[in-house]
Amino acid sequence: AQSVTQPDIHITVSEGASLELRCNYSYGATPYLFWYVQSPGQGLQLLLKYFSGDTLVQGIKGFEAEFKRSQSSFNLRKPSVHWSDAAEYFCAVMGGGNKLTFGTGTQLKVEL
Amino acid sequence: DTGVSQDPRHKITKRGQNVTFRCDPISEHNRLYWYRQTLGQGPEFLTYFQNEAQLEKSRLLSDRFSAERPKGSFSTLEIQRTEQGDSAMYLCASSLGQGDHTGELFFGEGSRLTVL
Repeated sequence: AQSVTQPDIHITVSEGASLELRCNYSYGATPYLFWYVQSPGQGLQLLLKYFSGDTLVQGIKGFEAEFKRSQSSFNLRKPSVHWSDAAEYFCAVMGGGNKLTFGTGTQLKVEL
Repeated sequence: DTGVSQDPRHKITKRGQNVTFRCDPISEHNRLYWYRQTLGQGPEFLTYFQNEAQLEKSRLLSDRFSAERPKGSFSTLEIQRTEQGDSAMYLCASSLGQGDHTGELFFGEGSRLTVL
């Protein structure tokens, strides 16, 4: 069965600083990988996805993520964080069964 | 707005009552998913439909839960004899999928259930 680990429950960064959110997955074959963002009381918005091809994927709002098969990782990065990026971020893997399995999320706080 | 819509957004009920949530997916999407999210956790898969067929159900979906998608369009999720442990956000998502390729899931804003 597939699984996702997001080791950081909370992260605080200063506005303008760089950001990296960690994600490790477990799945036997090549996975489809996703990052979603959720603001309080809102649904999930897709930031970016990896299906195949280039292992560095670009998403919305200036986010990018890199798929590293050797490390089973799909870390999310942003070079300069804005106060509006404060939210909860979820990594997810889609393996067999056509369903997403989510990590427990990382809560991002941005200090002004 | 042509995104996924869910109704009601909030529901407060007493333990033992039945509740029903409705999800209207993006119109051309053939796949519809229900997830449950509790505080501090990521969404957990409950069930999914391809058109009107319910293809998979999680073990989280006890016999008090039932989901339908009668005409392959909107879906309902009913919880009978609610318990306090059912308090959660219930998320619906839809996608356009073919075979093993499900594509991107688009989520609604969720229905928050509070059981007193």
